[in-house]
Amino acid sequence: GAVVSQHPSRVICKSGTSVKIECRSLDFQATTMFWYRQFPKQSLMLMATSNEGSKATYEQGVEKDKFLINHASLTLSTLTVTSAHPEDSSFYICSARDPSRGRTGELFFGEGSRLTVL
Amino acid sequence: GQQVMQIPQYQHVQEGEDFTTYCNSSTTLSNIQWYKQRPGGHPVFLIQLVKSGEVKKQKRLTFQFGEAKKNSSLHITATQTTDVGTYFCAGRVNSWGKLQFGAGTQVVVTP
Repeated sequence: GAVVSQHPSRVICKSGTSVKIECRSLDFQATTMFWYRQFPKQSLMLMATSNEGSKATYEQGVEKDKFLINHASLTLSTLTVTSAHPEDSSFYICSARDPSRGRTGELFFGEGSRLTVL
Repeated sequence: GQQVMQIPQYQHVQEGEDFTTYCNSSTTLSNIQWYKQRPGGHPVFLIQLVKSGEVKKQKRLTFQFGEAKKNSSLHITATQTTDVGTYFCAGRVNSWGKLQFGAGTQVVVTP
């Protein structure tokens, strides 16, 4: 099946620093990728939709200047958490659809990145 | 806005028993998907239901989409320890719209 790879899987940073998370589609091209945030034992909250070659679409309440998304190629989207604070600590997961699978629309998720801000 | 609700939030099952988790949407859905997330892992797609009243089976898992396309269920028979994880339903209002995830049902299986 389609594979989405996410890196890093874990990152610990100091408050005030910026952290970049990469999401790659390994065997398909993804014009659209999705970034989710998941708190412990909670559901997936869509943060933004990343569009190749254009600006990301952010969900209500998500600060676009805080969570910078870049989708520079058909296989790579990045999420940068800028000036991270402890409240940004969370599990961030990306996902993508494989267009070759038609309109099934199933999402392929990356392994997730656990961010801890000290 | 569209809401997808899932119950129960937590399910403790004895190995060998059956259980069901339910998903309800405030609006009619175009399709509904189910995902499983193992502890420490990422969500993995299980199935998609599109037609009203559709029933699909995957070994011990039976998925159902309601006639009104506003609810769905996942029934697992003869639960095994490998069934441990959180099961999420996710619905779309239109065929290529945004997926709205339910809160998930966390399943714990006791040997």
